[in-house]
Amino acid sequence: EVQLVQSGAEVKKPGESLRISCEGSGYRFTSYWINWVRQVSGKGLEWIGRIDPSDSYAHYSPSFQGRVTISTDKSSNTAYLQWNSLKASDTAIYYCARPRQSLPLHAFDVWGQGTVVTVSS
Amino acid sequence: EIVMTQSPATLSVSPGERATLSCRASQSVSGNLAWYQQKPGQAPRLLIYGASTRATGIPARFSGSGSGTEFTLTISSLQSEDFAVYYCQQYNDPSSFGQGTKLEIK
Repeated sequence: EVQLVQSGAEVKKPGESLRISCEGSGYRFTSYWINWVRQVSGKGLEWIGRIDPSDSYAHYSPSFQGRVTISTDKSSNTAYLQWNSLKASDTAIYYCARPRQSLPLHAFDVWGQGTVVTVSS
Repeated sequence: EIVMTQSPATLSVSPGERATLSCRASQSVSGNLAWYQQKPGQAPRLLIYGASTRATGIPARFSGSGSGTEFTLTISSLQSEDFAVYYCQQYNDPSSFGQGTKLEIK
């Protein structure tokens, strides 16, 4: 079974750093880009960016460029989303998602369960 | 950045009736358009890709149409499990979502 399993909920203070993870299984991890999507409570979906696990090339939405870093570890089939200095406005659910074809751009047919990130002083 | 606009924000429909949801792109996305369903506490679920192709396991009552900048998701006969929030997504350049349409029971 193809799955993306994300790390657990996090509670952090403003200014702290954080890295959340997304582990892929049931498929060849390096063949499919991994995307990250944000959902603020009660709001819509926002595309953050994507990474090619085969060479770690990452592409970001202009809205998130410079605010987050996407990376991967091929040896553990894991993708990461990282912040160096969290803000309260980063409070949201973060999903990783895999496209249905091994192309840079396609619809997302496999989603992680989501990681809740809460940033509060 | 391509902006996706969905309408209406909320749609009230009775079970058994037809629902029509719209999505407009600020510039052409060709046929690179997907629709997702999201229920409370769950991740989004892919319904339609390529503007009109149903994803695996999606019932035939869901259909998509359109190309370029105008797209439609139609649910032909609403079942109780269809009441949810629906999002469109363009994956042409590179990716962005609409703000969602909440489909509620009338």
